[in-house]
Order: sequence, then C-alpha cells, then structure tokens
Amino acid sequence: DQQVKQNSPSLSVQEGRISILNCDYTNSMFDYFLWYKKYPAEGPTFLISISSIKDKNEDGRFTVFLNKSAKHLSLHIVPSQPGDSAVYFCAASARDNYGQNFVFGPGTRLSVLP
Amino acid sequence: ETGVTQTPRHLVMGMTNKKSLKCEQHLGHNAMYWYKQSAKKPLELMFVYNFKEQTENNSVPSRFSPECPNSSHLFLHLHTLQPEDSALYLCASSQVVGGRAFFGQGTRLTVV
Repeated sequence: DQQVKQNSPSLSVQEGRISILNCDYTNSMFDYFLWYKKYPAEGPTFLISISSIKDKNEDGRFTVFLNKSAKHLSLHIVPSQPGDSAVYFCAASARDNYGQNFVFGPGTRLSVLP
Repeated sequence: ETGVTQTPRHLVMGMTNKKSLKCEQHLGHNAMYWYKQSAKKPLELMFVYNFKEQTENNSVPSRFSPECPNSSHLFLHLHTLQPEDSALYLCASSQVVGGRAFFGQGTRLTVV
C-alpha cells in the first residue's frame, strides 16, 4: 500500500502558465514533506520542503501548500518554464520519530510546452 | 553539484560478474542511503546507514551487499545479478535519518 501517492503520472502545461502538482499521503505521522525534481539519468535534486506546522512555503517560483486535514500537498510553479520539464517526486517523513526514512511518491512527469 | 558523488555513472555487467558501486559525500552527513529506481516505479529504499551502522534493509536480495567503512563512503557490492536488477542506483545522504536528503547523480546499471 503506497503511503505517498501522486495520482497524475504526467502533466502538460503551457509556458508562462501555472503548474500544479498534487500529492496525497496516508500516514498521519508524517510531519515533513519535500519535493524533488529529477531529470533523466540524474539523481533527484531538492526543490522545496514544508514542515507540518506550516501550511505554505514559498521559494521564488515554487510554492508548496499543505492541507493536513486532507493529507494533501501541492506544488505550484508559476510561471512555468520549459526548463521545469522533469519528473517531480513528493516525499514524506516522520522526523519526530527518529529513524523514519523518507517515503517517495511515484512521481509526476511535467512537460512545459513553449 | 550536490556534494554526493557516485561512480561509475554507467555500468554494464554480466550475470556472473562481481562489481561495486561507490558513493562519497563530503557534506558531513551522518546518514547514507541506497535507492533503486526502475523504469516506471517509485524510488525504492534499499539500505540505510546511520553513523556507519546499517539501520534498515528493505528486504533486499543478498546479491546486493552494502558496505559503509566510514560516514563519508558507501559501497554497494554486486554479484550474480539478474537482468531485472537493471536500474538507476542512487546514493543519498542527510544530516540525520529523515532529514533533507541530497542525492548523487546515480549509476545506470545494465545486467546482461
């Protein structure tokens, strides 16, 4: 049973528009969430994170929203750029439970069309 | 440049070969990980080392054997692999287990 779900395997967005990537989780112990971006044949690179004590974190064009009651988070990219085309992984961990590792979602492939 | 370096970047090996993947981090992190990414599958955690001690082994077959001689280096020794073991193998490190992880660029392994 997947604890972290990304139900959209792919998403296409026009350049300049907003990209919204969604992630749902089932484990209520998760208290730290991250988004990673991955290009083909490379390792994931960290994008942005959010702690469960917050409901929003913003870094430049990237904003992550957390809805704890719905066990849902989303990544907004605005404006989207062709270089944003990659696979985006949502990850969650329970940092308060020392030793809990990250659980990754299956990823969403974002294509930003020029 | 993430501070986590993996070698080799690409490896082709026969099913009877023995090879090793190497990972090195100079971030002063205490936790290191091996992940496997197969086509169209989520990232799978294989092994976790915390202060050089293995703390997790996610039911990984014994043909994969990790080694962590010190907190900066992590190896994955491979022997008698199967074609289905072909995947991208990723090393990562974090300050503490469950903290923000930094990934290496991965080793693309092909078993023939």
